[in-house]
Amino acid sequence: EDQVTQSPEALRLQEGESSSLNCSYTVSGLRGLFWYRQDPGKGPEFLFTLYSAGEEKEKERLKATLTKKESFLHITAPKPEDSATYLCAVHHFRDDKIIFGKGTRLHILP
Amino acid sequence: GAGVSQSPSNKVTEKGKDVELRCDPISGHTALYWYRQSLGQGLEFLIYFQGNSAPDKSGLPSDRFSAERTGGSVSTLTIQRTQQEDSAVYLCASSLVGGGMQPQHFGDGTRLSIL
Repeated sequence: EDQVTQSPEALRLQEGESSSLNCSYTVSGLRGLFWYRQDPGKGPEFLFTLYSAGEEKEKERLKATLTKKESFLHITAPKPEDSATYLCAVHHFRDDKIIFGKGTRLHILP
Repeated sequence: GAGVSQSPSNKVTEKGKDVELRCDPISGHTALYWYRQSLGQGLEFLIYFQGNSAPDKSGLPSDRFSAERTGGSVSTLTIQRTQQEDSAVYLCASSLVGGGMQPQHFGDGTRLSIL
């Protein structure tokens, strides 16, 4: 069964304390992997798309990387405004569905 | 340009009533998606439209759920004879084209509460 698993479920960091969020997937024929940010009461906001193993994308304090089995979202020197839920989603060839993980709730303490 | 717009933003109704949720996608986006997000759960895929056609209806939880899209634009998700387990946030997203290669742009959802 195709699955997307995100870890940890929740993460509390001090401002400036770098860390990484993990998204592991068991999907045959990956077409693309997406990262989104979701703030409370809002819809997910697109961050990155990764298509192939070895690919990296960066935006401000965030960097996303992809291997054949997982993706990491690295956050460098985070600020309180980076607090949000980060969602990972994968799209595969077989039936064109996009499967979302349950997300990681990130809280950055000032 | 405006983003994806959903209405109403909140809906409270009694068990057994029918509800209709509306999604207005970004102009020019041909693909439209509906998801359900329950507390502590990930986004659950419901249905996907390419133009006015829905090639994949397998995510609809039961025959009480239906969706349509007209004019390649506005979509409505209808839930008949609502049950308490239908309480959730219903999210709509659109993308330039289907097939999952383009990122989806989400609305802020309709929070549905069934009493």
